[in-house]
Amino acid sequence: AQRVTQPEKLLSVFKGAPVELKCNYSYSGSPELFWYVQYSRQRLQLLLRHISRESIKGFTADLNKGETSFHLKKPFAQEEDSAMYYCALSDSSNTGKLIFGQGTTLQVKP
Amino acid sequence: GAVVSQHPSRVICKSGTSVKIECRSLDFQATTMFWYRQFPKQSLMLMATSNEGSKATYEQGVEKDKFLINHASLTLSTLTVTSAHPEDSSFYICSASFQHGAFFGPGTRLTVL
Repeated sequence: AQRVTQPEKLLSVFKGAPVELKCNYSYSGSPELFWYVQYSRQRLQLLLRHISRESIKGFTADLNKGETSFHLKKPFAQEEDSAMYYCALSDSSNTGKLIFGQGTTLQVKP
Repeated sequence: GAVVSQHPSRVICKSGTSVKIECRSLDFQATTMFWYRQFPKQSLMLMATSNEGSKATYEQGVEKDKFLINHASLTLSTLTVTSAHPEDSSFYICSASFQHGAFFGPGTRLTVL
């Protein structure tokens, strides 16, 4: 079964500290993995996707098929990074259907 | 990026009434849209896949007769919550797919009294 697990509900760090938001997935095929972010009172928006291997707002995420993980990292957290982060998986049917993890609230303290 | 709108942004209704929520893709055509439900401080739960010109595909455990989905055009999908009850109160979010991802609407807060 397809499943995305984000083990941390809340991650609280100080400004300038490194951040790692964990995401593990369960999928039998070749999944596409995404990170979505939801800032306070805003809609969900795409942060990055594994196929593009890009860095957005200083965040990166590497797909580790051996560990079935797609952890989101940033070396130096900023206060404006405070938001809800969702890891999501899209199946190989390429319909755009997404399975979301439970979400992790990132709180960056000054 | 592309924009997806939802209307209304919030609605309050009496128990037993039906509520229609619209999801529009404003600057692109979406043959497939998705409806999610989000409980407070919880994840998005996929309810159904809305397919333009054909029947929606519902996820396991979602009542298709209660949550009616119509995707009559390439830019509009509607979700009708029929005979709403207080337990249907939630945040409903739609998304429109594009290659390798999705654009999300701002959501509709439904409160059933």
